[in-house]
Amino acid sequence: QVQLAESGGKWVTPGGSMRLSCAASGFSFSDYYMTWIRQAPGKGLEWISYIGGDSYYTNYADSVRGRFTISRDNAKNELYLEMNSLTVDDTAKYYCARNVRGQLVPDYWGQGTLVTVSS
Amino acid sequence: QSALTQPASMSGSPGQSITISCTGTSPHSGTYNLVSWYQQRPGKPPRIIMYEVDKRPSGVSNRFSGSKSANGASLTISGLQAEDEADYYCCAYLGRSVVFGGGTKVTVL
Repeated sequence: QVQLAESGGKWVTPGGSMRLSCAASGFSFSDYYMTWIRQAPGKGLEWISYIGGDSYYTNYADSVRGRFTISRDNAKNELYLEMNSLTVDDTAKYYCARNVRGQLVPDYWGQGTLVTVSS
Repeated sequence: QSALTQPASMSGSPGQSITISCTGTSPHSGTYNLVSWYQQRPGKPPRIIMYEVDKRPSGVSNRFSGSKSANGASLTISGLQAEDEADYYCCAYLGRSVVFGGGTKVTVL
């Protein structure tokens, strides 16, 4: 079955950096777009970024463009999110998700990893 | 502010039906051909319950149904049950970006 496991979330001070990872299993990883979504405490879902199966296509939400970088390693079945210049507004649980095949919207989601940005 | 608008909350008694709307501002009706819906119970990650407007993934109750409107989509929950109490989010493409609705908290009375 499809499994997604995020890691790397931690506490960091404003201006800091962090790299999130997502280990995928149970499906042909390279055949699917993958997505990062976040959810601030008590708030709704916010799409962050997606990446195509061959890494050719990527896109970012305006709130993170220029600060976050999505990437993947198909040989390792892993998805990454490099986050720089973090602010308190980036505090959230970050979810890794597989997309519906051929689409930009997610279907399977991981359990999430918590990122806290605070001084 | 989300480009997809949902009612903040809805409620119903067990056995009743409720319909959650997801209204967008895109002038292109094709935008709403690929709307998906997610259910999120407290402390859990979201799970998909509808995609491409009206397609149910395997394992999702047939009490959930989806439909499209001129400027959005709707999710209907029939025969409301206690286990349906959760937050529900719609999701769609806007150009090359992806947008979630603000979410609807469903309470079973």
